[in-house]
Amino acid sequence: QVQLVESGGGVVQPGRSLRLSCVASGFTFVSYGMHWVRQAPGKGLEWVAIISYDGRHISYADSVKGRFTISRDNSRNTVFLQMDKLSADDTAVYYCAKAASVGANRGPGFWGQGALVTVSS
Amino acid sequence: QAVLTQPSSLSASPGASASLTCTLRTGINVDAYTIYWYQQKPGSPPQYLLRYQSEADKQQGSGVPSRFSGSKDASTNAGVLLISGLQSEDEGDYYCMIWHNSAMVFGGGTKLTVL
Repeated sequence: QVQLVESGGGVVQPGRSLRLSCVASGFTFVSYGMHWVRQAPGKGLEWVAIISYDGRHISYADSVKGRFTISRDNSRNTVFLQMDKLSADDTAVYYCAKAASVGANRGPGFWGQGALVTVSS
Repeated sequence: QAVLTQPSSLSASPGASASLTCTLRTGINVDAYTIYWYQQKPGSPPQYLLRYQSEADKQQGSGVPSRFSGSKDASTNAGVLLISGLQSEDEGDYYCMIWHNSAMVFGGGTKLTVL
């Protein structure tokens, strides 16, 4: 069965960096685009970034562009989110999600359990 | 004006049908977009329900019952999630999403109460 396991969350001071990882299993990782989506406490969903199956095509939400970097290692079935210059507004549960189907710009299908990132001094 | 607008809440009775709407901003034509729908229950990650572009191009999420279906209403420029035969377990938050201007955009979500 499909599994996505996020790690790397925690408490970080404003202005610092954090790197999230998401290890995938149960499907052919190299065939699917991958997303990061976040949800601030008590709020709705906010899409963060997408990376194509081969890592060649990447897009970001305007709110994180220039601060966050999505990448993937297909040899390790892992997708990453490097988050720099963090602020309190970045406090959220961060979900890793597999695209719903193969192809370009497919929305999230299966979601991981999420990793909580808290930005606080 | 937000790209996608959803009613903040909706109530319906068990056994009835509920139509959840996702209205696209004026100038963004619903016919041109694939609408994704997600359900989220408290303390759990979202679950993918379905995507809908047209009757010829749609996908049901794995294990999602057929009583969840998608459509579009061109007259209101909206995507619609229809849930028939409502059950208490259908309570939760529902989000729509589209790919727009090289980014995914979520609606604000609708809280569905079954009572």
